[in-house]
Amino acid sequence: DAGVIQSPRHEVTEMGQEVTLRCKPISGHNSLFWYRQTMMRGLELLIYFNNNVPIDDSGMPEDRFSAKMPNASFSTLKIQPSEPRDSAVYFCASRLDRKETQYFGPGTRLLVL
Amino acid sequence: EDKVVQSPLSLVVHEGDTVTLNCSYEVTNFRSLLWYKQEKKAPTFLFMLTSSGIEKKSGRLSSILDKKELFSILNITATQTGDSAIYLCAGRGGQNFVFGPGTRLSVLP
Repeated sequence: DAGVIQSPRHEVTEMGQEVTLRCKPISGHNSLFWYRQTMMRGLELLIYFNNNVPIDDSGMPEDRFSAKMPNASFSTLKIQPSEPRDSAVYFCASRLDRKETQYFGPGTRLLVL
Repeated sequence: EDKVVQSPLSLVVHEGDTVTLNCSYEVTNFRSLLWYKQEKKAPTFLFMLTSSGIEKKSGRLSSILDKKELFSILNITATQTGDSAIYLCAGRGGQNFVFGPGTRLSVLP
């Protein structure tokens, strides 16, 4: 199994630009999580999908952030417009619903200048 | 507000030492506590604990949960340089996962 796949692995953009992060969960997993990790705030849950439906988006910082899961094998996290404080590593993780273990992707390192 | 606290935040030891990492939690509708190891990349799963007093063991690593006192410990015996990493503790409550800040462990040769 290829594990959770994220793209791009690195992104550098200028303030105000739109950024789209992509995630392909492990095949057969029906829960998907987006996390953000920074030195200051650690690992924070942004949003959680179950069977492609957003269950809890209370961690999404503000309206500039949006996430979609159009099907069981693909999710996007979009930031528009991006700001320097959005610079972080964004992780996607997936899980089989009846299991507790989440499997993390390699992360996307985002730098907003 | 749900929270997970870890201590120490940073620890430096020499190879062969034994370390104990601490995690305390306040998580609504608590279901399980998870430990992850994060080296340079993504967190990798170590243990999931749901019941008090039952030790989970994997090689030199072991962990136990106390649901009455709301804490867990992760022990690493005979540490090796490859154990150097950030160890994350997470509490699951309902649909939510709350991560602690992590303990950065450095094992010197």
